[in-house]
Amino acid sequence: DIQMTQSPSSLSASVGDRVTISCRASQSISRSVNWYQQKAGKAPKLLIYVASSLQSGVPSRFSGSGSGTDFTLTIGSLQPEDFATYYCQQTYTIPRTFGQGTKVELK
Amino acid sequence: QVQLQESGPGLVKPSETLSLTCTVSGGSISSYYWSWIRQPPGKGLEWIGYISYSGTTSYNPSLKSRVTISLDTSKNQFSLRLSSVTAADTAVYYCARETSGGELWRRTPYYYYYMDVWGKGTTVTVS
Repeated sequence: DIQMTQSPSSLSASVGDRVTISCRASQSISRSVNWYQQKAGKAPKLLIYVASSLQSGVPSRFSGSGSGTDFTLTIGSLQPEDFATYYCQQTYTIPRTFGQGTKVELK
Repeated sequence: QVQLQESGPGLVKPSETLSLTCTVSGGSISSYYWSWIRQPPGKGLEWIGYISYSGTTSYNPSLKSRVTISLDTSKNQFSLRLSSVTAADTAVYYCARETSGGELWRRTPYYYYYMDVWGKGTTVTVS
């Protein structure tokens, strides 16, 4: 299985901060990475697909980059509704696998 | 707008079979890949498997011996069965739609997949 390792596991930030979350794959997965946001008690929500494409309806402050083994999710200016847990996922191969999550908390 | 809704028992006894159904509304099930994902309390997401619109299945090897995913196009539903459950199978179970797309990347066709529609999830406790 391809392991997806996110860093950091958690971070504290303030409204307006620029936030970066990293995801590293255990082998090259080209651009097959998606990013999801999950709020407490809710289902995950797709933010970014194929590394850098913004899902319809998602604010443009979210962006993704990377290819091969290293990927990044950036929140340009953190808003109150962005405090949540973020997961990367690879869909390069079966089984699909997720990172362990990064919890973004209010400083 | 496509919506997914999980249904099934919230409590299952150890060694029995967990059975869940996902109903697709607002669109046809006769396309895409239809997935099950679970999340144990306080933990991350685990992909269980999926079934294609044509009935082809793929499962997580860690669960493969116990999992069956099936499709009922007449009811616009797909289902999960997980046998011989233990407390470790206690989780929120989500169904999701996996969509595919293609692009030219470095002048080469590239195909990608992502889960763009999710159900709200249903909690299953094994006890």
